[in-house]
Amino acid sequence: AQTVTQSQPEMSVQEAETVTLSCTYDTSESNYYLFWYKQPPSRQMILVIRQEAYKQQNATENRFSVNFQKAAKSFSLKISDSQLGDTAMYFCAFMIYNAGNMLTFGGGTRLMVKP
Amino acid sequence: GAVVSQHPSRVICKSGTSVKIECRSLDFQATTMFWYRQFPKKSLMLMATSNEGSKATYEQGVEKDKFLINHASLTLSTLTVTSAHPEDSSFYICSAGASGRSRETQYFGPGTRLLVL
Repeated sequence: AQTVTQSQPEMSVQEAETVTLSCTYDTSESNYYLFWYKQPPSRQMILVIRQEAYKQQNATENRFSVNFQKAAKSFSLKISDSQLGDTAMYFCAFMIYNAGNMLTFGGGTRLMVKP
Repeated sequence: GAVVSQHPSRVICKSGTSVKIECRSLDFQATTMFWYRQFPKKSLMLMATSNEGSKATYEQGVEKDKFLINHASLTLSTLTVTSAHPEDSSFYICSAGASGRSRETQYFGPGTRLLVL
Protein backbone atom coordinates (compact mmCIF):
# COMPACT_ATOMS: atom_id res chain seq x y z
CA ALA A 1 0.00 0.00 0.00
CA GLN A 2 1.05 3.54 -0.66
CA THR A 3 1.22 6.27 1.96
CA VAL A 4 1.67 10.01 1.59
CA THR A 5 2.79 12.20 4.48
CA GLN A 6 2.64 15.96 4.77
CA SER A 7 4.43 16.88 7.97
CA GLN A 8 3.39 20.54 8.08
CA PRO A 9 -0.28 20.93 9.06
CA GLU A 10 -0.11 24.72 8.79
CA MET A 11 2.25 27.25 7.30
CA SER A 12 2.28 30.96 6.67
CA VAL A 13 4.25 33.21 4.36
CA GLN A 14 4.41 36.88 3.61
CA GLU A 15 3.10 38.06 0.30
CA ALA A 16 5.79 38.04 -2.42
CA GLU A 17 8.01 35.64 -0.51
CA THR A 18 8.80 32.01 -1.26
CA VAL A 19 7.49 29.02 0.67
CA THR A 20 8.15 25.30 0.40
CA LEU A 21 5.64 22.62 1.34
CA SER A 22 6.96 19.17 2.19
CA CYS A 23 5.67 15.79 1.09
CA THR A 24 7.10 12.33 1.48
CA TYR A 25 5.66 9.08 0.25
CA ASP A 26 6.22 5.39 0.53
CA THR A 27 5.75 2.88 -2.26
CA SER A 28 7.30 -0.18 -3.81
CA GLU A 29 6.11 0.84 -7.27
CA SER A 30 8.54 2.19 -9.85
CA ASN A 31 6.09 3.82 -12.28
CA TYR A 32 3.84 6.43 -10.76
CA TYR A 33 2.76 10.04 -10.75
CA LEU A 34 2.83 12.66 -8.04
CA PHE A 35 0.53 15.63 -7.78
CA TRP A 36 -0.07 18.75 -5.81
CA TYR A 37 -3.68 19.88 -5.56
CA LYS A 38 -4.85 23.19 -4.15
CA GLN A 39 -8.16 23.57 -2.31
CA PRO A 40 -9.01 27.25 -1.72
CA PRO A 41 -11.86 28.37 0.56
CA SER A 42 -14.32 27.62 -2.26
CA ARG A 43 -13.31 23.96 -1.71
CA GLN A 44 -12.83 23.32 -5.44
CA MET A 45 -9.86 20.98 -5.85
CA ILE A 46 -7.47 22.43 -8.41
CA LEU A 47 -4.56 20.58 -9.97
CA VAL A 48 -1.44 22.64 -9.40
CA ILE A 49 1.33 20.47 -10.75
CA ARG A 50 1.98 16.93 -11.91
CA GLN A 51 5.21 14.93 -11.99
CA GLU A 52 5.84 11.65 -13.76
CA ALA A 53 8.25 9.53 -11.74
CA TYR A 54 10.29 8.43 -14.75
CA LYS A 55 11.15 12.05 -15.54
CA GLN A 56 14.20 13.36 -13.73
CA GLN A 57 13.41 16.97 -14.56
CA ASN A 58 11.37 18.74 -11.94
CA ALA A 59 7.96 19.94 -13.11
CA THR A 60 7.28 23.67 -13.19
CA GLU A 61 4.07 25.63 -13.66
CA ASN A 62 4.64 29.38 -13.55
CA ARG A 63 5.31 30.26 -9.87
CA PHE A 64 4.96 26.66 -8.76
CA SER A 65 7.79 24.16 -8.96
CA VAL A 66 8.62 20.88 -7.34
CA ASN A 67 11.75 19.26 -5.97
CA PHE A 68 11.34 15.59 -6.80
CA GLN A 69 13.84 13.33 -5.08
CA LYS A 70 12.89 9.81 -6.15
CA ALA A 71 15.47 7.96 -4.07
CA ALA A 72 14.45 9.85 -0.97
CA LYS A 73 10.73 9.57 -1.90
CA SER A 74 10.30 13.27 -1.42
CA PHE A 75 8.16 15.66 -3.46
CA SER A 76 8.13 19.21 -2.14
CA LEU A 77 6.27 22.15 -3.65
CA LYS A 78 7.86 25.58 -3.91
CA ILE A 79 5.65 28.61 -4.39
CA SER A 80 7.53 31.69 -5.50
CA ASP A 81 6.29 35.27 -5.23
CA SER A 82 3.41 34.16 -3.01
CA GLN A 83 0.10 35.85 -3.65
CA LEU A 84 -2.94 36.27 -1.42
CA GLY A 85 -4.84 33.96 -3.77
CA ASP A 86 -2.44 31.17 -2.90
CA THR A 87 -4.07 30.89 0.52
CA ALA A 88 -5.52 27.38 0.52
CA MET A 89 -5.16 23.79 1.64
CA TYR A 90 -2.54 21.98 -0.38
CA PHE A 91 -2.69 18.23 -0.84
CA CYS A 92 0.11 16.03 -2.09
CA ALA A 93 -1.12 12.91 -3.90
CA PHE A 94 0.24 9.72 -5.44
CA MET A 95 -1.05 7.64 -8.34
CA ILE A 96 0.29 4.35 -9.69
CA TYR A 97 0.76 4.37 -13.45
CA ASN A 98 -2.02 2.72 -15.46
CA ALA A 99 -3.84 1.40 -12.41
CA GLY A 100 -7.25 2.99 -12.64
CA ASN A 101 -6.45 6.59 -11.70
CA MET A 102 -6.64 5.90 -7.97
CA LEU A 103 -5.16 8.71 -5.84
CA THR A 104 -3.65 8.43 -2.38
CA PHE A 105 -3.72 11.77 -0.57
CA GLY A 106 -1.63 13.26 2.16
CA GLY A 107 -3.27 14.93 5.13
CA GLY A 108 -2.85 18.41 3.68
CA THR A 109 -1.04 21.61 4.58
CA ARG A 110 -2.98 24.77 5.27
CA LEU A 111 -1.11 27.73 3.79
CA MET A 112 -1.89 31.29 4.76
CA VAL A 113 -0.39 34.10 2.71
CA LYS A 114 -0.20 37.29 4.75
CA PRO A 115 -0.31 40.79 3.27
CA GLY B 1 -10.25 21.34 -20.84
CA ALA B 2 -10.85 18.63 -18.23
CA VAL B 3 -13.87 20.20 -16.56
CA VAL B 4 -16.02 18.28 -14.13
CA SER B 5 -19.37 19.60 -12.99
CA GLN B 6 -21.31 18.56 -9.93
CA HIS B 7 -24.92 19.28 -9.12
CA PRO B 8 -26.35 20.43 -6.82
CA SER B 9 -23.72 22.56 -5.13
CA ARG B 10 -25.72 22.72 -1.93
CA VAL B 11 -28.70 20.77 -0.65
CA ILE B 12 -30.69 20.81 2.56
CA CYS B 13 -33.05 17.95 3.19
CA LYS B 14 -35.12 16.41 5.93
CA SER B 15 -34.01 13.31 7.75
CA GLY B 16 -35.27 10.17 6.02
CA THR B 17 -35.31 11.56 2.50
CA SER B 18 -32.99 10.58 -0.33
CA VAL B 19 -30.66 12.94 -2.14
CA LYS B 20 -29.10 12.46 -5.57
CA ILE B 21 -25.84 14.14 -6.58
CA GLU B 22 -24.73 14.20 -10.21
CA CYS B 23 -21.16 14.31 -11.48
CA ARG B 24 -20.39 14.99 -15.13
CA SER B 25 -17.18 15.15 -17.10
CA LEU B 26 -17.90 17.90 -19.61
CA ASP B 27 -15.11 17.62 -22.16
CA PHE B 28 -13.65 14.16 -21.78
CA GLN B 29 -14.79 10.61 -21.28
CA ALA B 30 -14.13 9.12 -17.88
CA THR B 31 -14.21 5.35 -17.55
CA THR B 32 -13.65 5.81 -13.83
CA MET B 33 -15.19 8.32 -11.46
CA PHE B 34 -14.56 8.66 -7.75
CA TRP B 35 -16.68 9.81 -4.84
CA TYR B 36 -15.11 11.39 -1.79
CA ARG B 37 -16.35 12.71 1.48
CA GLN B 38 -14.52 15.53 3.22
CA PHE B 39 -14.91 16.64 6.81
CA PRO B 40 -13.90 20.17 7.81
CA LYS B 41 -10.16 20.78 7.68
CA LYS B 42 -9.50 17.17 6.77
CA SER B 43 -8.23 15.37 3.73
CA LEU B 44 -10.48 13.67 1.21
CA MET B 45 -11.81 10.27 2.19
CA LEU B 46 -12.47 7.97 -0.75
CA MET B 47 -15.91 6.41 -0.53
CA ALA B 48 -16.15 4.48 -3.77
CA THR B 49 -14.84 4.04 -7.27
CA SER B 50 -17.41 4.14 -10.02
CA ASN B 51 -16.76 2.28 -13.24
CA GLU B 52 -18.85 2.84 -16.34
CA GLY B 53 -21.17 -0.07 -16.98
CA SER B 54 -20.28 -2.05 -13.87
CA LYS B 55 -20.87 -2.03 -10.15
CA ALA B 56 -19.07 0.46 -8.00
CA THR B 57 -16.27 -0.59 -5.68
CA TYR B 58 -16.80 0.66 -2.14
CA GLU B 59 -14.13 1.37 0.42
CA GLN B 60 -14.17 -0.47 3.69
CA GLY B 61 -16.72 0.92 6.08
CA VAL B 62 -18.87 2.60 3.42
CA GLU B 63 -22.39 1.21 3.26
CA LYS B 64 -23.23 0.43 -0.34
CA ASP B 65 -26.97 0.32 0.37
CA LYS B 66 -26.72 3.74 1.95
CA PHE B 67 -24.65 5.37 -0.78
CA LEU B 68 -25.92 4.15 -4.14
CA ILE B 69 -23.66 4.84 -7.08
CA ASN B 70 -24.59 4.60 -10.73
CA HIS B 71 -22.22 5.21 -13.62
CA ALA B 72 -24.48 4.89 -16.63
CA SER B 73 -22.32 6.60 -19.22
CA LEU B 74 -18.75 7.72 -19.81
CA THR B 75 -19.64 11.23 -18.69
CA LEU B 76 -22.10 10.79 -15.82
CA SER B 77 -21.99 9.23 -12.39
CA THR B 78 -24.56 9.72 -9.66
CA LEU B 79 -24.40 9.28 -5.89
CA THR B 80 -27.68 8.79 -4.05
CA VAL B 81 -27.68 9.16 -0.29
CA THR B 82 -30.64 7.05 0.76
CA SER B 83 -32.66 7.73 3.91
CA ALA B 84 -30.32 10.53 4.86
CA HIS B 85 -29.63 11.27 8.51
CA PRO B 86 -27.90 14.22 10.20
CA GLU B 87 -24.65 12.26 10.43
CA ASP B 88 -24.57 12.12 6.62
CA SER B 89 -24.18 15.89 6.54
CA SER B 90 -20.86 16.56 4.87
CA PHE B 91 -19.09 17.84 1.80
CA TYR B 92 -19.15 15.34 -1.06
CA ILE B 93 -16.72 15.64 -3.95
CA CYS B 94 -16.61 13.69 -7.19
CA SER B 95 -13.72 13.35 -9.59
CA ALA B 96 -13.22 11.88 -13.02
CA GLY B 97 -10.17 9.97 -14.11
CA ALA B 98 -8.43 10.93 -17.33
CA SER B 99 -6.35 8.20 -18.91
CA GLY B 100 -3.46 8.08 -21.33
CA ARG B 101 0.27 8.18 -20.79
CA SER B 102 0.61 11.91 -20.37
CA ARG B 103 -2.85 12.55 -19.01
CA GLU B 104 -3.43 10.23 -16.07
CA THR B 105 -4.94 12.54 -13.50
CA GLN B 106 -8.11 13.04 -11.53
CA TYR B 107 -10.11 16.18 -12.17
CA PHE B 108 -12.48 17.27 -9.47
CA GLY B 109 -15.98 18.66 -9.38
CA PRO B 110 -16.74 21.69 -7.22
CA GLY B 111 -18.34 19.60 -4.49
CA THR B 112 -21.79 19.32 -2.90
CA ARG B 113 -22.53 20.51 0.59
CA LEU B 114 -25.22 18.31 2.13
CA LEU B 115 -27.06 19.31 5.27
CA VAL B 116 -29.57 16.86 6.71
CA LEU B 117 -31.95 18.34 9.25
